[in-house]
Parts: sequence; structure tokens; C-alpha cells
Amino acid sequence: KAGVTQTPRYLIKTRGQQVTLSCSPISGHRSVSWYQQTPGQGLQFLFEYFSETQRNKGNFPGRFSGRQFSNSRSEMNVSTLELGDSALYLCASSWANGISYNEQFFGPGTRLTVL
Amino acid sequence: AQTVTQSQPEMSVQEAETVTLSCTYDTSESDYYLFWYKQPPSRQMILVIRQEAYKQQNATENRFSVNFQKAAKSFSLKISDSQLGDAAMYFCAYRTRNNAGNNRKLIWGLGTSLAVNP
Repeated sequence: KAGVTQTPRYLIKTRGQQVTLSCSPISGHRSVSWYQQTPGQGLQFLFEYFSETQRNKGNFPGRFSGRQFSNSRSEMNVSTLELGDSALYLCASSWANGISYNEQFFGPGTRLTVL
Repeated sequence: AQTVTQSQPEMSVQEAETVTLSCTYDTSESDYYLFWYKQPPSRQMILVIRQEAYKQQNATENRFSVNFQKAAKSFSLKISDSQLGDAAMYFCAYRTRNNAGNNRKLIWGLGTSLAVNP
């Protein structure tokens, strides 16, 4: 089975721009979670999608949004980029059924640099 | 709110020796999961080992084992016979077993960078 894939792997943007990151989960996985990783704050949860619905949201401003498509692929969007948005964005998928916990499998991440 | 603390930003170990990484956590819950994840320089996060809080037996996966002290809220990772490929960032993470609402997320420590010296 192919693993979790994220595109693009690297991205450079300037302040004020917007960006869209993509995540393709492992085949059969219906849950996709997004995390922001920075040296100072570590890994912080952004949101989780399951069957095209956002089930869970972290403490990030409204500039951060996401969605999930019927094939479970997910995108996250950051509008009006700020320097502090520079980070590694990780996507994780799992075969979550909403009842029990299932292991999350992580993608390689997208490195976003905001200049 | 739950928190996870890793007090060792950096550790090093000689190849073939044993190293222990520390993790403490704070929670008022009694039923939860604890994890150790490894993130090599290539950045792909990999699950190393998982512990369910209701299980008294410490989890073991080959050369990796944990010392889970529930009362002390401590969850350390022991790596035996260290190999060069073990060099990575190691993250301790917590997740409640409660699947309701805003609980379905991993809460992470800041990580420990492990160097393995040949």
C-alpha cells in the first residue's frame, strides 16, 4: 500500500499570500489530521476530517482552514500568510471509525517558508 | 488540559549501548494512550511504541521498551543495542481514549534529539 503523500514538499511564499497544501491518505483511511510543527512550539494539532466533515479543531486562527473530498484526500489552506506560519505541516491518516482509536500514519510533510 | 513534557532536548548514546528518554505528562483522566514517535532527518514520523494506560504491562517492540509509571505520570523509552539508524527526534505523545468532541488529537512533547555515536 502506498503511504500518506503530501504535495508540494517545499513551498516559499511571501507575507499576505495564501497557500494550499494537499494530503492523500493511505487507501481505505477516512480520517485525515493536520499538524503544524515548529522548533519553538513543537507539534500542534490543526484539525481533523472524517468523511468530508471537520470533526475536531485546534486553537488556530480562522486563516487556517481545510476540507476533505469524497475520496478522503484533504487540503488545508492558509490565507494572509504571516512570517510565523513558516513551519513543517504534517498530515496523518488513520482508519478511524469514530469508536475506537486507530494508529495515525504520517506523511513526509510540506515545508512552508514565508518571506 | 493535558500536557506532555520531555525534559531532555538532546541525548547521545554510543552504538550498541542503551539509552533512556524521559517523558512526563499531566492529565486528570484515567484512560488514555501514550506513544513514542520517531522522526528521522527525512522527516517521516513513525510510531515506535504505544502504551494503553489500563494495561499494567509495559509495552515492548524489539529493542524498544517503555517504563510506564501511571501514578507518577511517567513514560520513558528505553532503546537497547542502539544502532546508527536510531538517530532521530523522538516525540512522546498523549491521547485520551475518549473519542467524543475535541478529544481526538495527539498532544505532543517538544521532542528529544538522539545522536548515536559510532
